[in-house]
Amino acid sequence: GQQLNQSPQSMFIQEGEDVSMNCTSSSIFNTWLWYKQDPGEGPVLLIALYKAGELTSNGRLTAQFGITRKDSFLNISASIPSDVGIYFCAGPGSGTYKYIFGTGTRLKVLA
Amino acid sequence: EAQVTQNPRYLITVTGKKLTVTCSQNMNHEYMSWYRQDPGLGLRQIYYSMNVEVTDKGDVPEGYKVSRKEKRNFPLILESPSPNQTSLYFCASSPLAGGLSNEKLFFGSGTQLSVL
Repeated sequence: GQQLNQSPQSMFIQEGEDVSMNCTSSSIFNTWLWYKQDPGEGPVLLIALYKAGELTSNGRLTAQFGITRKDSFLNISASIPSDVGIYFCAGPGSGTYKYIFGTGTRLKVLA
Repeated sequence: EAQVTQNPRYLITVTGKKLTVTCSQNMNHEYMSWYRQDPGLGLRQIYYSMNVEVTDKGDVPEGYKVSRKEKRNFPLILESPSPNQTSLYFCASSPLAGGLSNEKLFFGSGTQLSVL
C-alpha cells in the first residue's frame, strides 16, 4: 500500500530558529495535507495543498507540494514554545477512500 | 459546538476481554474513520466508513470490527484484545460533499488503551 515517510523523526530546536521537515511517498499524491498534534489532543489541519509546485502559507508556516507529486515540505519560521507537537503529512490514497498519514515529526522547542 | 467525541479517554483491560470504544460526531459527516497511533509508525488507518452501512478495511484491520448503523456513530470493537493492540486510538470524521481530496478530517481527543 501507499506509505508516507517523514523526516526527521524528531528534532530539538532553540526558540526563534527556523524548522524544516519533509514527507515522501512511494507513489503520487494529488493532495497533500499537513496536520499538527498538540500533546494529549487529536491532529488539527494546518495547511492543504492541491497542485504540484503549490506554495501555501499559514502565519509562520509554509508548505510546498513537490513537483514530482511524491513529496511535500513544511517550514516553520521563528519557532515559539507552542510549536511543540507532532507534525503529520497526510493525503487521500489514490483510487480509494483511505486517508493515509505519515510517520510524523516530533518537534520540541527549547526556550 | 462541532465535535467528535470518543469514550472512554483511558482504558485498561486484560487479554481476551471484549471491549468497545465509542465515537460520535455531531456534524452530519458521511465519512468516519479509526486510526491507531504508535511511536515511530505515525497514524495507521484501521477501518473507515463512507456512509451508513458502508465500511471498508484500512491498512491494519486485523483484530478489529466496526459498525455504522447510524450516521453519527462509528464504534470500534475489539472482540478479543491482545497486548499488541495497546495503542492510542483516534476517531475522525469528514464531509464528503467536496470529495475526500478537498475535505479535512476532524479528530476526537483519543483513547489510550492498555491491554495487559
